[in-house]
Amino acid sequence: AQSVAQPEDQVNVAEGNPLTVKCTYSVSGNPYLFWYVQYPNRGLQFLLKYITGDNLVKGSYGFEAEFNKSQTSFHLKKPSALVSDSALYFCAVRDMRAGNNRKLIWGLGTSLAVNP
Amino acid sequence: GAVVSQHPSWVICKSGTSVKIECRSLDFQATTMFWYRQFPKQSLMLMATSNEGSKATYEQGVEKDKFLINHASLTLSTLTVTSAHPEDSSFYICSARDQALAGGPSEQFFGPGTRLTVL
Repeated sequence: AQSVAQPEDQVNVAEGNPLTVKCTYSVSGNPYLFWYVQYPNRGLQFLLKYITGDNLVKGSYGFEAEFNKSQTSFHLKKPSALVSDSALYFCAVRDMRAGNNRKLIWGLGTSLAVNP
Repeated sequence: GAVVSQHPSWVICKSGTSVKIECRSLDFQATTMFWYRQFPKQSLMLMATSNEGSKATYEQGVEKDKFLINHASLTLSTLTVTSAHPEDSSFYICSARDQALAGGPSEQFFGPGTRLTVL
């Protein structure tokens, strides 16, 4: 079965500290992985994606994610957290099954709180 | 680039009425748009995939006669919640894929969402 897991409902980190938001996936074949961020009462904003190539992907707002095939993980990271990074983060993987319109399979989201 | 708009941003209606939500890709063409529903503090639930010029593909458990989707052009999809009831109150979000990137694994671009409250 194809799925995405975000094992942490909430992550708390102090401003200036590094942050990690975890994501693991299960999909047949090579995965196409995405991270999105959602601010309160807003739609989702694209952060970054992994398709192929370097395992370390750099995205918007200083975020990066590391693709680890052996661990089937795609953790989101940032070296130094800002209070403004506080939001809901979603990991997603593209449904690779034929005829599925390239829809995304979503994790349940992780709420990130950065404390001043 | 890659901006998706939704209208209205919020709507309050009486039970039994119908509500139409528009989703537009402003600077790109989208043969495929997606409609999601999100409950408070929960993940996105894909309701249906809207394909320009053809019928929408609904996810299991989503009533197609209640949630009417029309994808009239390459830049516009509409979701109509018919005979709305309080349990339909939710945050509805659309997304679109850029047709020009359709051959590759492009990301979805999201609208800002529509907050529907049914009294």
